[in-house]
Amino acid sequence: DIQMTQSPSSLSASVGDRVTITCRASQRINTYLNWYQQKPGKAPKLLIFSASSLQSGVPSRFSGSGSGADFTLTISSLQPEDFATYYCQQSYDVPRAFGQGTKVET
Amino acid sequence: QVQLQQSGPGLVKPSQTLSLSCAISGDSVSSSSTAWNWIRQSPSRGLEWLGRTYYRSKWYNDYAPSVKSRITISPDTSKNQFSLQLNSVTPDDTAVYYCARDLNFSRLDYWGQGTLVTVSS
Repeated sequence: DIQMTQSPSSLSASVGDRVTITCRASQRINTYLNWYQQKPGKAPKLLIFSASSLQSGVPSRFSGSGSGADFTLTISSLQPEDFATYYCQQSYDVPRAFGQGTKVET
Repeated sequence: QVQLQQSGPGLVKPSQTLSLSCAISGDSVSSSSTAWNWIRQSPSRGLEWLGRTYYRSKWYNDYAPSVKSRITISPDTSKNQFSLQLNSVTPDDTAVYYCARDLNFSRLDYWGQGTLVTVSS
């Protein structure tokens, strides 16, 4: 099974900051990598699919990059509504797997 | 606009069966470009994919090894929904359960609202 490891587990940032979150797969997964945002009490929301494609309706300050086993989610200028937990997920194989999450807090 | 509406009990006794349903609007459970998934989330396990069902000329299922012996995910075409059954539950199965659509085996783009299921006597 493929394991996904995110870093850091949490980070402290301020509005306007550039934020970068990394995700590493235990094997190469091409660009079969998605990013989700989750706020307390809500379901995860798809932000980025196929490593770098922006989901419809998601602000352009979110971007993704990477291929193979190493991936990055970047928020170019953090907004108040971006404080949340972010997860990566591989769609290369089953069982699907998620990272453990990165909490972005003030 | 696709919407997924979950239903089912929030409390299940140990050793009994957890049953949840996910009603689909704006898409079809029989679509040839989607798969229909169940995922759960708990503080100890994080987000855990449980399995999926999908139709490609016939029905298929994939399940996570951790629950494979206890899980059934099945479609109901007459109601345009799919369901989760998890047998022989223990307190370790306490979690928020989500249904979700997987578009083109690529991404989980629509999610249900989540159901907190507590396993307790």
